Amino acid sequence: DSGVTQTPKHLITATGQRVTLRCSPRSGDLSVYWYQQSLDQGLQFLIQYYNGEERAKGNILERFSAQQFPDLHSELNLSSLELGDSALYFCASSPGDRNTGELFFGEGSRLTVL
Amino acid sequence: AQKVTQAQTEISVVEKEDVTLDCVYETRDTTYYLFWYKQPPSGELVFLIRRNSFDEQNEISGRYSWNFQKSTSSFNFTITASQVVDSAVYFCALSLSPSGSARQLTFGSGTQLTVLP
Repeated sequence: DSGVTQTPKHLITATGQRVTLRCSPRSGDLSVYWYQQSLDQGLQFLIQYYNGEERAKGNILERFSAQQFPDLHSELNLSSLELGDSALYFCASSPGDRNTGELFFGEGSRLTVL
Repeated sequence: AQKVTQAQTEISVVEKEDVTLDCVYETRDTTYYLFWYKQPPSGELVFLIRRNSFDEQNEISGRYSWNFQKSTSSFNFTITASQVVDSAVYFCALSLSPSGSARQLTFGSGTQLTVLP
């Protein structure tokens, strides 16, 4: 158990809909990362938040947005969903400035868009 | 930009065989970290090892060992006496400069290891 909690574990929805994925980082971790894992793109970094502020952005679509709240949990919002958005979405956390880079991953949220 | 290449898409071995997973990376930075993660069939990503760019000492941990060679930009992972429970997808990953808080990982495409009984 990594200590990172993601909900929901599974989600099935239709094209055009909007969903929100939630992540609670490990206790004390200030950084939250979102990754997308799909068959064709592999593991892709989407976005990172550090202590409530956006710190780095990767291959995140404009239809996707995220935020980190004062209690450090994070949400990833996916809107106008397309079939290609079907993927496993991982949240990871790390302590922040002084860590040496390893991330601790949640179990993922599997999104299926029909 | 950094890149991680895992040329082996799938490997099958019979239990008790040794197996080496290859990883080649590209970066212009002189300070970086390399990682191996394991993704078992249950789907979660499990951290296995971290190595920094200044430490080329090879490491052995039980049945696992890692061979880091900066001269060839490789960070290979060997499982000795493989077991069925080792069956998983293994990812090599790279993280740049340890300063600052932007520590996102760049992952390779993964190697599916199947250990047959």
